[in-house]
Amino acid sequence: EDQVTQSPEALRLQEGESSSLNCSYTVSGLRGLFWYRQDPGKGPEFLFTLYSAGEEKEKERLKATLTKKESFLHITAPKPEDSATYLCAVQAGETSGSRLTFGEGTQLTVNP
Amino acid sequence: KAGVTQTPRYLIKTRGQQVTLSCSPISGHRSVSWYQQTPGQGLQFLFEYFSETQRNKGNFPGRFSGRQFSNSRSEMNVSTLELGDSALYLCASSSTTNTGELFFGEGSRLTVL
Repeated sequence: EDQVTQSPEALRLQEGESSSLNCSYTVSGLRGLFWYRQDPGKGPEFLFTLYSAGEEKEKERLKATLTKKESFLHITAPKPEDSATYLCAVQAGETSGSRLTFGEGTQLTVNP
Repeated sequence: KAGVTQTPRYLIKTRGQQVTLSCSPISGHRSVSWYQQTPGQGLQFLFEYFSETQRNKGNFPGRFSGRQFSNSRSEMNVSTLELGDSALYLCASSSTTNTGELFFGEGSRLTVL
């Protein structure tokens, strides 16, 4: 059974204080790893797709990296508007279609 | 371009009743997936429909069902509601199947009393 574990569950940062969120996974036949952002009362919003170990993607203050066992979401000099829950998800197996297995998320709060 | 639209946004039902939730995907998207989100379990996959055919089904009892229409709009139904069915039900669409780049709606929040 595919498993995704995210840590920490919650993280409080001061504005400008860089940090990293972790996503470790156990899957059979990884096809892709995805990062989403979810704001309160909203559905998740797609951020990144990573397909193979060593791959990196960047968007503004966010950078996602992937190894064979985990992914990191690095947040550089965060701003209060980066506060949200960040979700990691994996797509695995030949017949998975668009089925994703999600972690429970890291709730990030950035204080001004 | 309009996003994914889910109706109703909020609803309250009692145990034993049934409920139907609706999802209109982004124009041109043919794949619709449904997820249940609860504080304890996180996001869990319910099912995916592509071109009116169910592609995948998650580990939920048969009380949970869905369908997709020829215009790609989708509905999910939960019969004989239980207290544990209280959750945020999220619909996501994508232009094709076999992608993890999903566009989510804002969800339908179901409370079962």
